[in-house]
Amino acid sequence: NAGVTQTPKFQVLKTGQSMTLQCAQDMNHNSMYWYRQDPGMGLRLIYYSASEGTTDKGEVPNGYNVSRLNKREFSLRLESAAPSQTSVYFCASSGQYSNQPQHFGDGTRLSIL
Amino acid sequence: KQEVTQIPAALSVPEGENLVLNCSFTDSAIYNLQWFRQDPGKGLTSLLLIQSSQREQTSGRLNASLDKSSGRSTLYIAASQPGDSATYLCAVETSGSRLTFGEGTQLTVNP
Repeated sequence: NAGVTQTPKFQVLKTGQSMTLQCAQDMNHNSMYWYRQDPGMGLRLIYYSASEGTTDKGEVPNGYNVSRLNKREFSLRLESAAPSQTSVYFCASSGQYSNQPQHFGDGTRLSIL
Repeated sequence: KQEVTQIPAALSVPEGENLVLNCSFTDSAIYNLQWFRQDPGKGLTSLLLIQSSQREQTSGRLNASLDKSSGRSTLYIAASQPGDSATYLCAVETSGSRLTFGEGTQLTVNP
């Protein structure tokens, strides 16, 4: 039962470097999401994709780009990493209809020096 | 802007106690309210989802209630066990399947 798989689990970057966080789900879900979790701020939505080929900004999209490669995969890219982007990043997915719970991966812990 | 608040931020109880976690939200125009559990270093696990038309949901020792008009939900855990120790997060779903999360309640159940 893989569910939502995120890679890598840990990463350290230098300011200005770029990186892509990968996410894949095997539940045939239409919707996928990227969140960041910071102490004192809770989880905040970065971007989401309601279906293959569509993406929308969430609460904190600045500094990030996303790609919905196919129904299974949704990647998050940091083009020029900044220390303020140090965080734990979670990918989630949910079914086609509303009122279905979101399923989360185990997260990527990203430190930017 | 929707805001979600959870009280208390941390709670420590002896094993076997019944306990209540609280969640409040500012905008009652929600599709549903969800309770999650997060273990250290892990992702979130969905516990209960209450649709806006429902008053409560139950799963095993867990019972969640929703009072949409007052903007409140409670998560009741019966006969707590050390394995229940985790952070419990409340989230409300608004338009476009967007979830707004509270900061969570860190629960410790002592043997």
